[in-house]
Amino acid sequence: QVHLAQSGAEVKNPGASVELSCKASGYTFTNYHIHWVRQAPGQGLEWMGIINPSGGRTDYAPKFQGRVTMTSDTSTSTIYMKLSGLRSEDTALYFCARDVVGNGEWFDPWGQGTQVTVSS
Amino acid sequence: DIQMTQSPSSLSASVGDRITITCRASQTIGTFLNWYQQKPGKAPKVLIYAVSNLQSGVPSRFSGSGSATDFTLTISSLQPEDFATYYCQQTYDSPRTFGQGTKLEIK
Repeated sequence: QVHLAQSGAEVKNPGASVELSCKASGYTFTNYHIHWVRQAPGQGLEWMGIINPSGGRTDYAPKFQGRVTMTSDTSTSTIYMKLSGLRSEDTALYFCARDVVGNGEWFDPWGQGTQVTVSS
Repeated sequence: DIQMTQSPSSLSASVGDRITITCRASQTIGTFLNWYQQKPGKAPKVLIYAVSNLQSGVPSRFSGSGSATDFTLTISSLQPEDFATYYCQQTYDSPRTFGQGTKLEIK
């Protein structure tokens, strides 16, 4: 079945960078784009951006432009998301999700999430 | 950016109740409107895509409707497992945006 497996929790100091991974299985990796969405404690869902694993084209939310980099490794069916210049407000649960396009566009399935904590 | 506004932000209801959550977009979004359910500490799960299409495996007590800027999610008869937070999402334009969420609690 289609599955997205995310890397483990991270604790980082302010100003550092973090790189998260999202490994896809159960489908043809290059046929589906991948999104990243985050959720701060007690808050709602915030879209960060999307990557096309085939070719690596990206579209980032303006809020994260300049701080986020999404890349793909087709040899391992893995997507990476790097966030730099970390601050306390970046403490959140980070999800990857597969993009599905039909008579619309929706996210399915989602990874289990990776907790990132930014603290000195 | 397209703003998505859900109401109510929280809702208290009983098992067996019929409830409706509304979502308003700041501009027309066609049929690019989805609904997700999220339980604490878990990833969101799509319930309804493209306004009214039920995702495979989702019970038929969930339904969606609407057009242009105004949309609704209805649960016809609440079950214990339905108590969760629900989000609408537009995928008409980038950045994709979510509503602020509706927390559905047991009365």
